[in-house]
Amino acid sequence: AQSVSQHNHHVILSEAASLELGCNYSYGGTVNLFWYVQYPGQHLQLLLKYFSGDPLVKGIKGFEAEFIKSKFSFNLRKPSVQWSDTAEYFCAVNAGYSSYKLIFGSGTRLLVRP
Amino acid sequence: NAGVTQTPKFQVLKTGQSMTLQCAQDMNHEYMSWYRQDPGMGLRLIHYSVGAGITDQGEVPNGYNVSRSTTEDFPLRLLSAAPSQTSVYFCASSYGTGGNSGANVLTFGAGSRLTVL
Repeated sequence: AQSVSQHNHHVILSEAASLELGCNYSYGGTVNLFWYVQYPGQHLQLLLKYFSGDPLVKGIKGFEAEFIKSKFSFNLRKPSVQWSDTAEYFCAVNAGYSSYKLIFGSGTRLLVRP
Repeated sequence: NAGVTQTPKFQVLKTGQSMTLQCAQDMNHEYMSWYRQDPGMGLRLIHYSVGAGITDQGEVPNGYNVSRSTTEDFPLRLLSAAPSQTSVYFCASSYGTGGNSGANVLTFGAGSRLTVL
């Protein structure tokens, strides 16, 4: 069965620091990859997604992620974080062209100190 | 446009009681799903539906029932609540079930926090 691993459960950064959150998945075939974010008190919302084409995808609020197929990874990056990026970040994958089972990682809580 | 509406927002149950978490969407989405969120475990898929009359199991279906009699509604039923079902439950939906539907973005509800004593 497919699974998703997020290596960092809690990350604390100061404003302007660079961010990289790791995400690895286990599935050998075609995948769709997502990062969702949950800001305090808000709904889960999409940050960015990859389903084909350029493996470097850009999302909202300056976030980007790179799909490295050989490493089964989809790491999230931001060159300079802001206090407003404080949130919980979830990597998710579904396997196959028409798979409906979107599997989430355990999440990473990011705290950005002003 | 309300999006995905979940009720109730909070509920406390005693072990063995039954209840239904309601989920409704007004976006004419074909796909609907239920997740539970537990600390350190992320979101886990309970059940999902690709259209009226069609449901299937996710990762953690035991103890939960669903039905999809209309496109708009996808209720989640706990038949006999257990403390292990204490969690935050999220309903999510997306449009379309053809093509690379796995690439569709989910719209989430606000969540329902359930405590089972």
